[in-house]
Amino acid sequence: NAGVTQTPKFQVLKTGQSMTLQCAQDMNHNSMYWYRQDPGMGLRLIYYSASEGTTDKGEVPNGYNVSRLNKREFSLRLESAAPSQTSVYFCASSEVGGGYSPLHFGNGTRLTVT
Amino acid sequence: SQQGEEDPQALSIQEGENATMNCSYKTSINNLQWYRQNSGRGLVHLILIRSNEREKHSGRLRVTLDTSKKSSSLLITASRAADTASYFCATASNNNDMRFGAGTRLTVKP
Repeated sequence: NAGVTQTPKFQVLKTGQSMTLQCAQDMNHNSMYWYRQDPGMGLRLIYYSASEGTTDKGEVPNGYNVSRLNKREFSLRLESAAPSQTSVYFCASSEVGGGYSPLHFGNGTRLTVT
Repeated sequence: SQQGEEDPQALSIQEGENATMNCSYKTSINNLQWYRQNSGRGLVHLILIRSNEREKHSGRLRVTLDTSKKSSSLLITASRAADTASYFCATASNNNDMRFGAGTRLTVKP
């Protein structure tokens, strides 16, 4: 099993450009999450999806949109990238939400906005 | 704001010593989880402790939870150089989101 797969691994954008980060899991998990991690900091929740068909805002949703395309896939879109969005983005999934099951993480997308 | 806060921010010990990291949180929780992150990689789940549990063991890991003080600790016994990593606690309340603290950077010197 691949677990949680994120693409791309690296990306450089210019201010104002848009892009979509892709995430897919093959564990039949119900809940999926997008986090960002800035240097020396913990993870901050951007958006999450408790189950297929639902999405909710986390701590830092401004400037982002998400789509839970199906049970496997959860994408994160930056409509107009800003330098403040330079970060490492992690996707995660869990069997159920609410902290009742462990999160499985992808290896991250390193995004630089110039 | 982040739910959990780890303490200390950084910890440096010699191989063979024990490492203790603490986590404090602000609101009532369902469960608390600890994760490990090696440099440049995704987080890996270590242990989950439910809100009605006080202590849990997994190999060289021991986790305690004190819901009255809204705190948890992670003890790594007989540390190894390979334990060098950042460690995070994560909590979820009645909604479904999982929130992480800023982490403790552990360095184990050979």
